[in-house]
Amino acid sequence: AQRVTQPEKLLSVFKGAPVELKCNYSYSGSPELFWYVQYSRQRLQLLLRHISRESIKGFTADLNKGETSFHLKKPFAQEEDSAMYYCAPLTGGSYIPTFGRGTSLIVHP
Amino acid sequence: GAGVSQSPRYKVAKRGQDVALRCDPISGHVSLFWYQQALGQGPEFLTYFQNEAQLDKSGLPSDRFFAERPEGSVSTLKIQRTQQEDSAVYLCASSLVLAGVGEQYFGPGTRLTVT
Repeated sequence: AQRVTQPEKLLSVFKGAPVELKCNYSYSGSPELFWYVQYSRQRLQLLLRHISRESIKGFTADLNKGETSFHLKKPFAQEEDSAMYYCAPLTGGSYIPTFGRGTSLIVHP
Repeated sequence: GAGVSQSPRYKVAKRGQDVALRCDPISGHVSLFWYQQALGQGPEFLTYFQNEAQLDKSGLPSDRFFAERPEGSVSTLKIQRTQQEDSAVYLCASSLVLAGVGEQYFGPGTRLTVT
């Protein structure tokens, strides 16, 4: 079964600091990967997906097939980035994304 | 337009009671998913519908859980003889495209508390 690991339950940084939210998955093929975000009192929403190669709100995520990782990065964190972030790989043979347990990002002023 | 809506937003049930949770997806969305989210965990897949067909119910934890989408729009998740371990937030999501390859639009969730 597909496994996804988000090792940090909580990540606390100061405004302007770089941030990296880690995600590792168990599948060794060619996955599609998503990052979803949930801001306080809002519903879960898509932040970005690997296939789009986009930068959303300053966030990027690089797929490293060798390390089976899809870490989410932002060079300068903002207070409004404080939220819960979920990595969700979608692997070949499974059309249902598997969500990690999430990382809570807190950006202090 | 309106997003995915779920009702009720909160439900308290006594152990042994049956509950029904409703999901109204975005109009025209083919795919509909149900997830269960326990406290401190990510959403866990329960079941998937493509229009009215339930193509995957592998995540339903027991035969007390039943879901339907009879006309390919509104879906209902029913839990019979609720147990305390059923306490969780139940999320519904819909997608314009088939399966999980596209963006999923989530509802606000129904928080179920079984006492």
